[in-house]
Amino acid sequence: EAGVAQSPRYKIIEKRQSVAFWCNPISGHATLYWYQQILGQGPKLLIQFQNNGVVDDSQLPKDRFSAERLKGVDSTLKIQPAKLEDSAVYLCASSYGGLYGYTFGSGTRLTVV
Amino acid sequence: SQQGEEDPQALSIQEGENATMNCSYKTSINNLQWYRQNSGRGLVHLILIRSNEREKHSGRLRVTLDTSKKSSSLLITASRAADTASYFCATEQYGNKLVFGAGTILRVKS
Repeated sequence: EAGVAQSPRYKIIEKRQSVAFWCNPISGHATLYWYQQILGQGPKLLIQFQNNGVVDDSQLPKDRFSAERLKGVDSTLKIQPAKLEDSAVYLCASSYGGLYGYTFGSGTRLTVV
Repeated sequence: SQQGEEDPQALSIQEGENATMNCSYKTSINNLQWYRQNSGRGLVHLILIRSNEREKHSGRLRVTLDTSKKSSSLLITASRAADTASYFCATEQYGNKLVFGAGTILRVKS
């Protein structure tokens, strides 16, 4: 089966600019996650979708981050305006649920200068 | 916030030796999972152990889970240079929420 697709692979922007990331999960996976991984740390959950509804966004900095999953398939994560501390790898994952584990995309490496 | 703590933070061993990594967590879980991450790449799911299981094997991997101590260990036997990576434990909590620890960096020297 095809994996989780993410784009772009790399992005460099200046602080205060905006940026968007795209994720296409595995077909049939109802649950989609966005994680932020700062260098040297474990991934931190930003937002969790079940189909096109938000299950958990408690750690999403809502003053600058937004995410949507229209039609319950692909998803976009946006940052506006970006700060230096947003430099990280943004990982998308999807899950069928139950005991099958989660499949992660290759991530988008964001550098804010 | 991250759920678990991994120990050690870094581990360096010779090829052929066994590598053991430990993970502790704080809350009730549905299951515990281990992932591998090669430098600059995405996370790869290695193994999942349910909360009512105590031990699980997959190839050269052996995972144990002690829910009374809220801890888990990952053993990689007969390590290879290709096992060099970061290893993360992740706990799945209520609502299918997956929370990661800080990871262990494993270096296998050939």
